[in-house]
Amino acid sequence: EADIYQTPRYLVIGTGKKITLECSQTMGHDKMYWYQQDPGMELHLIHYSYGVNSTEKGDLSSESTVSRIRTEHFPLTLESARPSHTSQYLCASSEVVTGDTGELFFGEGSRLTVL
Amino acid sequence: KQEVTQIPAALSVPEGENLVLNCSFTDSAIYNLQWFRQDPGKGLTSLLLIQSSQREQTSGRLNASLDKSSGRSTLYIAASQPGDSATYLCAVEGGKLIFGQGTELSVKP
Repeated sequence: EADIYQTPRYLVIGTGKKITLECSQTMGHDKMYWYQQDPGMELHLIHYSYGVNSTEKGDLSSESTVSRIRTEHFPLTLESARPSHTSQYLCASSEVVTGDTGELFFGEGSRLTVL
Repeated sequence: KQEVTQIPAALSVPEGENLVLNCSFTDSAIYNLQWFRQDPGKGLTSLLLIQSSQREQTSGRLNASLDKSSGRSTLYIAASQPGDSATYLCAVEGGKLIFGQGTELSVKP
């Protein structure tokens, strides 16, 4: 059973608001990821982290930022939300297995709507 | 740049049929390949993980194969059930995990 949690599950906010999507895992995984997925579309990697104080940008350009101060916590922040940020955001984690990536576990997702 | 393609994009079958979902990737230098299931509005659930040194993995009615040299993987579902209806995604790991677009499967009772 995967232990990775995202909050909030659903969020509707107005343009210009600052928001933080939370992601926590209790499995002690070093690698964590944020993916963005529009309805019926593929997943796009927007941020990832190999461990504490490590953050990297993914393939899809994003105006969001992330931090990794604790192993279990990988929050994503939008300083000023816009309607173009409306999407589903999926957090995932995996353990490092001999330098490779082990099985990936996903949270339930945070569906963001910006009006 | 790694590209992952899944065919078909959608598939509808009657209950009880065996079926095959396809995944192809352009760069064979991968660490592993994973198959996931996604239900509408939900996150992803890992089904099978195949390391680059392996040829296949099995879990219950699911069997996934990997042919690195040809850049292909298949997910075989035996005796399909309505509960198998979901979107199935493959993803390859070669430094970053890259996903295909998914195959939307509908199993009719």
